[in-house]
Amino acid sequence: ILNVEQSPQSLHVQEGDSTNFTCSFPSSNFYALHWYRWETAKSPEALFVMTLNGDEKKKGRISATLNTKEGYSYLYIKGSQPEDSATYLCAFKYNNNDMRFGAGTRLTVKP
Amino acid sequence: SQTIHQWPATLVQPVGSPLSLECTVEGTSNPNLYWYRQAAGRGLQLLFYSVGIGQISSEVPQNLSASRPQDRQFILSSKKLLLSDSGFYLCAWTPGLAGEQYFGPGTRLTVT
Repeated sequence: ILNVEQSPQSLHVQEGDSTNFTCSFPSSNFYALHWYRWETAKSPEALFVMTLNGDEKKKGRISATLNTKEGYSYLYIKGSQPEDSATYLCAFKYNNNDMRFGAGTRLTVKP
Repeated sequence: SQTIHQWPATLVQPVGSPLSLECTVEGTSNPNLYWYRQAAGRGLQLLFYSVGIGQISSEVPQNLSASRPQDRQFILSSKKLLLSDSGFYLCAWTPGLAGEQYFGPGTRLTVT
């Protein structure tokens, strides 16, 4: 069973707070792990594609780490801003084409 | 640059009616194409993917079908819609094996 779990389901933080959330995935048949940012009424936007155990990626205030042996990835946001409010999706790719998405973490940043 | 189009943007259909959603990609050739659905309060579910013309793989059995009549065209269809088919449908493409997916603007389908 290919379950991709994201936690927490939702998160409310104050502007300026740093936050992180988790994506758990099967540790076998790993191909890639994707993170997406999905704002209401828009399409999901790719943040990171991670393929190697120990990968760390960074884009501005957002960074992600990957542990393929234990099957988890963390997404960190430093100094959250209201414009960071969105649903953050992770997706586990287990072959050339098949991806399983988690249900997402809905982040709300209050000014 | 590459762009992906979906239409219609919103659709309200009665139970039992047929469905056809279209997705086209511009600016690339031989893309891998995907159909996803997000049901209310749930994550994205992969419905179909295609690696080439006429090649369709189905993730879950359901009353939906997909076709790829041209290299950059992907169509999602149903002969008879169910209430449970309501949701937000996203088309996506990827240029290669492990690359990120690029999503279209989506279609909001409400089955009444």
